[in-house]
Amino acid sequence: NAGVTQTPKFQVLKTGQSMTLQCAQDMNHEYMSWYRQDPGMGLRLIHYSVGAGITDQGEVPNGYNVSRSTTEDFPLRLLSAAPSQTSVYFCASRRAGDRFGELFFGEGSRLTVL
Amino acid sequence: GESVGLHLPTLSVQEGDNSIINCAYSNSASDYFIWYKQESGKGPQFIIDIRSNMDKRQGQRVTVLLNKTVKHLSLQIAATQPGDSAVYFCAEGDHTGFQKLVFGTGTRLLVSP
Repeated sequence: NAGVTQTPKFQVLKTGQSMTLQCAQDMNHEYMSWYRQDPGMGLRLIHYSVGAGITDQGEVPNGYNVSRSTTEDFPLRLLSAAPSQTSVYFCASRRAGDRFGELFFGEGSRLTVL
Repeated sequence: GESVGLHLPTLSVQEGDNSIINCAYSNSASDYFIWYKQESGKGPQFIIDIRSNMDKRQGQRVTVLLNKTVKHLSLQIAATQPGDSAVYFCAEGDHTGFQKLVFGTGTRLLVSP
């Protein structure tokens, strides 16, 4: 199993550009989520989904958009990139009914906004 | 690899030693706690969790201890190996679910051969 796959691993954007971070999982997990990780701070939840067609906001949703059209995929869209969105982004998934901390993370996408 | 968390507290141990990594949590209402391991350039990896109705839980070479009186959590790693070198961080939550987890910043564990 590939687990949780994120693309791209690295990306540099200019302020105002838009882009989509891709996340796919092959474990048939119902729950998927996006986090950002910044120096000196713990992971912060951006958006999450408890199933296809259902999404909700996390702690820091502003400037990001998500959709969940399939169980496997959960893309994160940056609408108009800002330097404050420079971060490492992690996608995670979990099977419904499992202990809710038992998240499976991707390897991350490092985004730099100039 | 990445360099998230440049100024993390660091614990240096020799291979074969036991390691103890500590975490203080803030919310008295938290009733669920998790430890994660993050190797350089990788995503976090679930290690072990514990609910507040327990004081201790053991896994393979790892033990988590919970002291609710002083809001303190520790992760003990027995016979530490070079492959254990990573950043370890805790998270706290409650019955409302994973979307309310609060993650710590972590401790870097360095294991020397």
